[in-house]
Amino acid sequence: DAKTTQPDSMESTEGETVHLPCSHATISGNEYIYWYRQVPLQGPEYVTHGLQQNTTNSMAFLAIASDRKSSTLILTHVSLRDAAVYHCILIEGGYQNFYFGKGTSLTVIP
Amino acid sequence: GGIITQTPKFLIGQEGQKLTLKCQQNFNHDTMYWYRQDSGKGLRLIYYSITENDLQKGDLSEGYDASREKKSSFSLTVTSAQKNEMAVFLCASSELGGRWAETLYFGSGTRLTVL
Repeated sequence: DAKTTQPDSMESTEGETVHLPCSHATISGNEYIYWYRQVPLQGPEYVTHGLQQNTTNSMAFLAIASDRKSSTLILTHVSLRDAAVYHCILIEGGYQNFYFGKGTSLTVIP
Repeated sequence: GGIITQTPKFLIGQEGQKLTLKCQQNFNHDTMYWYRQDSGKGLRLIYYSITENDLQKGDLSEGYDASREKKSSFSLTVTSAQKNEMAVFLCASSELGGRWAETLYFGSGTRLTVL
């Protein structure tokens, strides 16, 4: 079962900034927070990850709460290509199942 | 950059049939994985391989065989397709071997339907 909680859906307009929240109240010290996104007929695509500090890359900014019990994926200047289901998952090691919940379905309006 | 190529994209089989799915990666990654994704659910690990000719079972290995003939390729065999089975099989790779959290890169999947 997924150890994270995310809203089922969110909506944004092209060019705006969107904040995708994720709650992981039972996170353990060795678990990394990973974000993947998936569109129909494609496999999951890596977005970003972090352990304790906020991180940023070309795709997104990840803000992690100081107690690590929640995080927020921030997408700036969203485009139609950012429309996807975004999954927040906790990963301790690679040899494991990916406990995707329903994720957040992001709709981007032109 | 690199890419993971899965073939075929769509596979239709008959009950009891043996079916083989193929995966190629050009990342030069050591570790490769096979996952099964059922509609609306997460990804369950079937097999993984940390190097050529290595095979490790995941939680869902029963009913499947796998083969890692060379570093760049990893194949999965459904030993006896189950009637009305529908699922997506995802191949992935990672650089270091997965003992620690690391990024996985996924292919676009093979969609299996069993009649």
